[in-house]
Amino acid sequence: KAGVTQTPRYLIKTRGQQVTLSCSPISGHRSVSWYQQTPGQGLQFLFEYFSETQRNKGNFPGRFSGRQFSNSRSEMNVSTLELGDSALYLCASSSPDNYGYTFGSGTRLTVV
Amino acid sequence: GESVGLHLPTLSVQEGDNSIINCAYSNSASDYFIWYKQESGKGPQFIIDIRSNMDKRQGQRVTVLLNKTVKHLSLQIAATQPGDSAVYFCAENHSGTYKYIFGTGTRLKVLA
Repeated sequence: KAGVTQTPRYLIKTRGQQVTLSCSPISGHRSVSWYQQTPGQGLQFLFEYFSETQRNKGNFPGRFSGRQFSNSRSEMNVSTLELGDSALYLCASSSPDNYGYTFGSGTRLTVV
Repeated sequence: GESVGLHLPTLSVQEGDNSIINCAYSNSASDYFIWYKQESGKGPQFIIDIRSNMDKRQGQRVTVLLNKTVKHLSLQIAATQPGDSAVYFCAENHSGTYKYIFGTGTRLKVLA
């Protein structure tokens, strides 16, 4: 059974640019969540989607957005990148009867 | 891979000894808890979970203890091995919130 797949693994962007990250959940999982991980702040919740609907959103500026497609794949977008957006972005999926999240390997975003 | 956290508390144990990693959770209404292991350059890996109606749950070489009175969670690893070296996070969930709150993490170092 394939795990959670995140692409790309690494990204380098310039301040002011925008970026889109992709996440393919485990087959059959309909909930997808996104987290930002930094050494200073740890793992911070960004948003969660289920059946193309955002059910919860963390305390991040509006520059951070996401969406989910009918096949449960999800994307997150960060516009007008800032140096502080450099982080590991993690996606996790779960099935309705299994609370436990399964994480992908993440996308390492570096903003220069 | 990059360090998950630069200033994490560190627990150093001798190979073969037992390890105990502690976590204080934040929300008395949280009803589901997970321990994750994160190795350098990888996403968090699910280790074991426990629901709030339980005090203890055992897995293979791991045991999780939950003390709701003081909002404390611990992870015990028996016969610690070099492959156990990683950062360990606890995560709490309050059902219906569709998100997890993660602890700051503990770095486990296994000494040969």
